[in-house]
Amino acid sequence: DGGITQSPKYLFRKEGQNVTLSCEQNLNHDAMYWYRQDPGQGLRLIYYSQIVNDFQKGDIAEGYSVSREKKESFPLTVTSAQKNPTAFYLCASSPPGTFTDTQYFGPGTRLTVL
Amino acid sequence: GNSVTQMEGPVTLSEEAFLTINCTYTATGYPSLFWYVQYPGEGLQLLLKATKADDKGSNKGFEATYRKETTSFHLEKGSVQVSDSAVYFCALASGNTPLVFGKGTRLSVIA
Repeated sequence: DGGITQSPKYLFRKEGQNVTLSCEQNLNHDAMYWYRQDPGQGLRLIYYSQIVNDFQKGDIAEGYSVSREKKESFPLTVTSAQKNPTAFYLCASSPPGTFTDTQYFGPGTRLTVL
Repeated sequence: GNSVTQMEGPVTLSEEAFLTINCTYTATGYPSLFWYVQYPGEGLQLLLKATKADDKGSNKGFEATYRKETTSFHLEKGSVQVSDSAVYFCALASGNTPLVFGKGTRLSVIA
């Protein structure tokens, strides 16, 4: 079955630690995205990548970093510089083309910083 | 820049009631419009989309019409079921701008 996997589903970290969230897709999609979801805030774009070895900042990139070394993988690192990292993180991918293509989402990772 | 405004929830309806969730947008050019749905504990999935003015998107009994004159894309369903309980997001994208989401509307349907 094709799809997007995110692991782990729940993640707990101590304040001041960096943490990396995994996102893998086997849909052969070129574009991948990371969103942050907070209650009552909707989804906000953190980073996106339209092609391997290239990525752009979204609306709330500060305190986050990404890499895109393989087409299938787009890991997100939440650094200690992120002031309020506790949130639900969603990864998505879409076929090559414009941003108007449908995005396919993973099940999300809930990060709690203690 | 592009933005989406949707009605705040939560919305609580009895089973078989009529549903409307309002969505209006601000955009340059000719965006595509989407409704995504998020069931409890899951990621989002596309519910329906429309790519040009007067297009109607439909899926699973839900419908929305792209109204350029009123910059709206309201979601409707004639008879909701308990299984429709979820959070619904209106979103838009244009050729050079990634998806922009509304804040979401939580729908609870009671039997």
